[in-house]
Amino acid sequence: GAGVSQSPSNKVTEKGKDVELRCDPISGHTALYWYRQRLGQGLEFLIYFQGNSAPDKSGLPSDRFSAERTGESVSTLTIQRTQQEDSAVYLCASSRLWDSGNTIYFGEGSWLTVV
Amino acid sequence: AQSVSQHNHHVILSEAASLELGCNYSYGGTVNLFWYVQYPGQHLQLLLKYFSGDPLVKGIKGFEAEFIKSKFSFNLRKPSVQWSDTAEYFCAVNAGLGGATNKLIFGTGTLLAVQP
Repeated sequence: GAGVSQSPSNKVTEKGKDVELRCDPISGHTALYWYRQRLGQGLEFLIYFQGNSAPDKSGLPSDRFSAERTGESVSTLTIQRTQQEDSAVYLCASSRLWDSGNTIYFGEGSWLTVV
Repeated sequence: AQSVSQHNHHVILSEAASLELGCNYSYGGTVNLFWYVQYPGQHLQLLLKYFSGDPLVKGIKGFEAEFIKSKFSFNLRKPSVQWSDTAEYFCAVNAGLGGATNKLIFGTGTLLAVQP
């Protein structure tokens, strides 16, 4: 596709429910990144993928958060037993390769509200 | 751990005023530095980046930034802002392996409002 695509664009969920956020990177991009942006804060790194493997998961806030990527394309970020503090914009990004120098392209984000 | 500080959280300017947004990072090794911009209703996009060479880098739309290693700073500047520059600006540094990877650490952002 032309850009990084994320779905849903908006999600309201009840506390305790599980949610899945989907990211479609730009075709041919091997590196994929997930970031979180809470209201009034900067972007927090969550995880990145090189192909289907995730060399760096250091930003995942707790074991309720997990992500996978299949076929070097689509990635899913899953949040189990959502809490109110999970409310944020979840941004996905991709780049052609994982090493620095490769421009990172961001999607428009998935707005998650936990009530 | 690496961190990025943006001291100006909210800046309001009139058109044609000059702009300087501060960015400081904490890391003693090799870094690559970036400024991203997010216009209202749009996704984040790269404004400019520094990897090596001339510490004064020029980006799109008349923006430039200067890397001052001794001050750990990478301030963004524009001589004359326009209403269309209203946006949120994020400074970022890439982390790990001496800057070899694309993992970015972002500042908290600066919201710029330009009044016509």
